[in-house]
Amino acid sequence: DTGVSQNPRHKITKRGQNVTFRCDPISEHNRLYWYRQTLGQGPEFLTYFQNEAQLEKSRLLSDRFSAERPKGSFSTLEIQRTEQGDSAMYLCASSLVPPTEAFFGQGTRLTVV
Amino acid sequence: RKEVEQDPGPFNVPEGATVAFNCTYSNSASQSFFWYRQDCRKEPKLLMSVYSSGNEDGRFTAQLNRASQYISLLIRDSKLSDSATYLCGLSGTYKYIFGTGTRLKVLA
Repeated sequence: DTGVSQNPRHKITKRGQNVTFRCDPISEHNRLYWYRQTLGQGPEFLTYFQNEAQLEKSRLLSDRFSAERPKGSFSTLEIQRTEQGDSAMYLCASSLVPPTEAFFGQGTRLTVV
Repeated sequence: RKEVEQDPGPFNVPEGATVAFNCTYSNSASQSFFWYRQDCRKEPKLLMSVYSSGNEDGRFTAQLNRASQYISLLIRDSKLSDSATYLCGLSGTYKYIFGTGTRLKVLA
């Protein structure tokens, strides 16, 4: 499968715990994006990378969130001290340099209890 | 004003009907436009790109109106399997922005 891959697909965690998600983009794509989506809303931009450089972060990305893409390939999104409001679907997408199409992974559904 | 706005619906249409959705955007510098389909609890999947000249893929036709800053999606001969949420997306130089989606229900 050469599409965008995310794991885990589902994560249930207790409030206050840290969680980390992984995204493997389409191999030739140099841009990688993280989005968050809640019920009834569209994907909300969190951050993006071009190769290993993180070029933009949304104000939605509080200090508890950090993302990395250490070798310009896979990326991780970590949430520290999770809160119930962090419960959402976290989507990763990749693309070549815009304006080409972006392709999404299956998402990681986070539930904070 | 939101960067991308869509009517959330739901649009309930009978099988075989033609249905159209619009999506308005506020940033005139937006460069590229897309329609994605999203099924319940699944990821968005690219349906089609939208070009200034318009483009068609089978029963689906997408149009871009830069002067009025909107894109449209027309679905002809609706099928039950077309029931989903349709997201419009656009990109500038750096990132993609999406609407909240329009929910379509095709009824038997």
